[in-house]
Amino acid sequence: KAGVTQTPRYLIKTRGQQVTLSCSPISGHRSVSWYQQTPGQGLQFLFEYFSETQRNKGNFPGRFSGRQFSNSRSEMNVSTLELGDSALYLCASSPRTSGTTYEQYFGPGTRLTVT
Amino acid sequence: GNSVTQMEGPVTLSEEAFLTINCTYTATGYPSLFWYVQYPGEGLQLLLKATKADDKGSNKGFEATYRKETTSFHLEKGSVQVSDSAVYFCALRRANNAGNMLTFGGGTRLMVKP
Repeated sequence: KAGVTQTPRYLIKTRGQQVTLSCSPISGHRSVSWYQQTPGQGLQFLFEYFSETQRNKGNFPGRFSGRQFSNSRSEMNVSTLELGDSALYLCASSPRTSGTTYEQYFGPGTRLTVT
Repeated sequence: GNSVTQMEGPVTLSEEAFLTINCTYTATGYPSLFWYVQYPGEGLQLLLKATKADDKGSNKGFEATYRKETTSFHLEKGSVQVSDSAVYFCALRRANNAGNMLTFGGGTRLMVKP
């Protein structure tokens, strides 16, 4: 079974631009979560989607948004990029959105650099 | 709110040494606890988990026990290898029906020398 895939793997953008990152979960998984990883703030939860609905949202400004499609693929968008948005963005998928049985599987991440 | 605190690194050990990485948490109710590992240039891999008090998670020689009384989930391995060099993250997930959101500790870099 293929793992979680994220595209692109690397991205360089300029301040003020916007960016869209994509995540394809493991087949059959309906929950997709996004995390931001930086050296200063560590791993921080952005949001979770389940069956095309946002389930949880972390403490990030409105410039960060996401969506999930009917095939469970998810995208996240960051508008008006700032230098501090430079980070590794990780996506994780899980079969369900709750229950102790289910584990989350992470993708390799998208490395975003804002110049 | 929920939080996870783990010992700062880097932790440098010789091959075959004993490893302990401390992790304590703050949470309401009975969260699930996890250890994830991140190798250079890769995403996170689940190493082990425990879902209730006194549970012991184990995998690849690593172990951690869910201690409700001390709110801890320390990671241990009896004999580390060079291939264990990575960054280790302790994390918690709130109790059932609260979604999949994970709260992570700051990570501990482990370096194992031959």
